[in-house]
Amino acid sequence: DAGVIQSPRHEVTEMGQEVTLRCKPISGHDYLFWYRQTMMRGLELLIYFNNNVPIDDSGMPEDRFSAKMPNASFSTLKIQPSEPRDSAVYFCASSLAGTSGMNEQFFGPGTRLTVL
Amino acid sequence: QKEVEQNSGPLSVPEGAIASLNCTYSDRGSQSFFWYRQYSGKSPELIMFIYSNGDKEDGRFTAQLNKASQYVSLLIRDSQPSDSATYLCAVNLRDSSASKIIFGSGTRLSIRP
Repeated sequence: DAGVIQSPRHEVTEMGQEVTLRCKPISGHDYLFWYRQTMMRGLELLIYFNNNVPIDDSGMPEDRFSAKMPNASFSTLKIQPSEPRDSAVYFCASSLAGTSGMNEQFFGPGTRLTVL
Repeated sequence: QKEVEQNSGPLSVPEGAIASLNCTYSDRGSQSFFWYRQYSGKSPELIMFIYSNGDKEDGRFTAQLNKASQYVSLLIRDSQPSDSATYLCAVNLRDSSASKIIFGSGTRLSIRP
């Protein structure tokens, strides 16, 4: 398996522009997570999906952020309009619920976003 | 109080020694605990998980859990330079679904030759 795939790996944009990050989870996994990592705030959970349905979006910073999962193999995180403080590494992770309900999350390589 | 707290380090340990990483959590009802390793510029990867009080060993790694004191630790025996990384403690909180985990800010570990 190729693992979790994210694109682009690097994104540089100007303030006010729309940014779309993409993620392909591991085939067969039923959970998908979006995280943001900065030096100041560490690794923060933004939103996660179960079977393509958003379960918890309490970590989404504000209305400028939105996430979708139209099917089991694709998800997007969109920022519109982007601001310099959105600069961070954005990780996508996926997992498969085990019989105990606990599961290992596999992370993608991340997208490094820089907003100028 | 943060939900999951770690000393940011850096923690410097000589090669061959035991590295001890600690983590405390606020939710007494937490059930599952994870240690992820993150090399610089890379994504986190799971190295250990533990559910029950006591020790869990996997090769050179031992996870220790004390629910009464609300702390979890990771011991790395015979430390190697390749162990130099940031170690993230993660906890599944009681009031969340089984799949939602909260990460600590991580401890930077440096193994000196």
